Amino acid sequence: DQQVKQNSPSLSVQEGRISILNCDYTNSMFDYFLWYKKYPAEGPTFLISISSIKDKNEDGRFTVFLNKSAKHLSLHIVPSQPGDSAVYFCAASVGTGNQFYFGTGTSLTVIP
Amino acid sequence: NAGVTQTPKFQVLKTGQSMTLQCAQDMNHNSMYWYRQDPGMGLRLIYYSASEGTTDKGEVPNGYNVSRLNKREFSLRLESAAPSQTSVYFCASRETGRSVETQYFGPGTRLLVL
Repeated sequence: DQQVKQNSPSLSVQEGRISILNCDYTNSMFDYFLWYKKYPAEGPTFLISISSIKDKNEDGRFTVFLNKSAKHLSLHIVPSQPGDSAVYFCAASVGTGNQFYFGTGTSLTVIP
Repeated sequence: NAGVTQTPKFQVLKTGQSMTLQCAQDMNHNSMYWYRQDPGMGLRLIYYSASEGTTDKGEVPNGYNVSRLNKREFSLRLESAAPSQTSVYFCASRETGRSVETQYFGPGTRLLVL
């Protein structure tokens, strides 16, 4: 059973606009969340993270929001750029241990 | 600095054949991981090794064996390949005790089992 879900397989956004990628989880024990970005024929690369003691973390154009009561997190990219076109995975873990649970990914296309 | 390397990049097997996927990292990391990525399933952890000489099962270990040959290398073996093992396999490494952000992935091995 998928513990981390990304219900939107794809998303298209105009350059300069905001991209919002969503992720839901079912395991209330998860307390650390990450977003990874993946280009074709490459491995995922870390983008941004948030721990459950926070509800927002910002890094440049990327902001992750966490709503623990809803078991929901989202990644906002503002402004979106064509180079942001990639597949984005959210992942969750209990603490910073070795078991990471990944979502199914959302393919973002930023249209110039 | 190559980071995490994986060989081969692509492999076709027949059902029942065996093969070993190789992974090496040059970052002196203690922890290494094997994931598989399937359409509609995301990445799932197969096995991991928290340090040289130790290995532990992840979410989907059945049908696989692993060897942590030394600190640099972590191999994944399919003893008798099945079509259900058609997937893209990613190796990753991380410095144990550091933040989870320091998990680095290799480029992947695409495996097709006929």
